[in-house]
Amino acid sequence: DGGITQSPKYLFRKEGQNVTLSCEQNLNHDAMYWYRQDPGQGLRLIYYSQIVNDFQKGDIAEGYSVSREKKESFPLTVTSAQKNPTAFYLCASSGLATDTQYFGPGTRLTVL
Amino acid sequence: AQSVSQHNHHVILSEAASLELGCNYSYGGTVNLFWYVQYPGQHLQLLLKYFSGDPLVKGIKGFEAEFIKSKFSFNLRKPSVQWSDTAEYFCAVNAPYNQGGKLIFGQGTELSVKP
Repeated sequence: DGGITQSPKYLFRKEGQNVTLSCEQNLNHDAMYWYRQDPGQGLRLIYYSQIVNDFQKGDIAEGYSVSREKKESFPLTVTSAQKNPTAFYLCASSGLATDTQYFGPGTRLTVL
Repeated sequence: AQSVSQHNHHVILSEAASLELGCNYSYGGTVNLFWYVQYPGQHLQLLLKYFSGDPLVKGIKGFEAEFIKSKFSFNLRKPSVQWSDTAEYFCAVNAPYNQGGKLIFGQGTELSVKP
């Protein structure tokens, strides 16, 4: 069954802790993306990767980090430097940067 | 900078009413246009997309959208909504060769359909 999986669905962390969100895809897509969704603001791009071992900052990369060691995996770390980390995080992938992006189910992170 | 504007934050309709959700974007170059839908508790799904060709595109579940280049618009329509269309709708644009093809999203329109 092809698709994008994100885990966990809900995540709670204490302020000051780093946390890593998982994103895996078995669609053989080259490009992967992380977006953040906040009420009334749509989705905003955090990081993207067009190829293994390479990634670029998006519009709101401060306080986040990523890695792309494998084609199918693109984990996102929310660091303690992120000032407002509570949000819904969505991972997406596409065959090429010019193609349609498909989204995972998301992870809702709450920092207490 | 690119931006996408959705005119309505929250739309409330009765079943069988017609729907039109506005979307305007600002970008002078070649763009791809999308409408995504997020049903309650579900992940973001593609409704329809426009890359080129016929500016009237048809998507899933009876939705359609018309690309009007001169107006920088890509409005979503459905002739008769159902209760199951209750969801949040996002218009998105990407400039294919800008920042890895990132999507620029509108703020979203929440649609509530009363049975």
